[in-house]
Amino acid sequence: GAGVSQSPRYKVAKRGQDVALRCDPISGHVSLFWYQQALGQGPEFLTYFQNEAQLDKSGLPSDRFFAERPEGSVSTLKIQRTQQEDSAVYLCASSPRTSGPTDTQYFGPGTRLTVL
Amino acid sequence: AQSVTQPDIHITVSEGASLELRCNYSYGATPYLFWYVQSPGQGLQLLLKYFSGDTLVQGIKGFEAEFKRSQSSFNLRKPSVHWSDAAEYFCASDTGRRALTFGSGTRLQVQP
Repeated sequence: GAGVSQSPRYKVAKRGQDVALRCDPISGHVSLFWYQQALGQGPEFLTYFQNEAQLDKSGLPSDRFFAERPEGSVSTLKIQRTQQEDSAVYLCASSPRTSGPTDTQYFGPGTRLTVL
Repeated sequence: AQSVTQPDIHITVSEGASLELRCNYSYGATPYLFWYVQSPGQGLQLLLKYFSGDTLVQGIKGFEAEFKRSQSSFNLRKPSVHWSDAAEYFCASDTGRRALTFGSGTRLQVQP
């Protein structure tokens, strides 16, 4: 079946521009996660949704970062006034249940954001 | 705060040789532990996970990992490496809040 998809796969933005990154989770998956992966580093947690509720946004690096999942399926990560340090791969993951960390997270291919 | 350390940034092994990738975690209690593999242009794929019970965990693609509480380690092993195993490997932990904490990764290169 279809996995997690993300679009666009690549995004180039000029510093100061706003960007929106989209995540389509696996159909029916309740939980959705966003991670940021800087070059040469492991992914870092940004935020977590259970259905449409954003239960944890402790990893968002600044108030320029905003995520939403209004209908409990597709999610959008928005970055306002992009800075060069925002350049990274943004990964989305989904999991089928809310039963906690025993529930496997399935990752998408990521969106590579380059801020010039 | 929890942390995950992967001491080896880059490892090269010959095809057919055995492999061990190291992972150490820092957390007061036993976290949930995972190994993921990331190939170029691909998403992270779960190899195996440990929650409790048997400390030797079997995963996909012939990989296994052993949890050692005394050493705070969760090392990944494979008895015979194939060229297709060349990729980046990440160890991760979760203390129960659903947010995975990843190590910085180990890049595996396989020589013919």
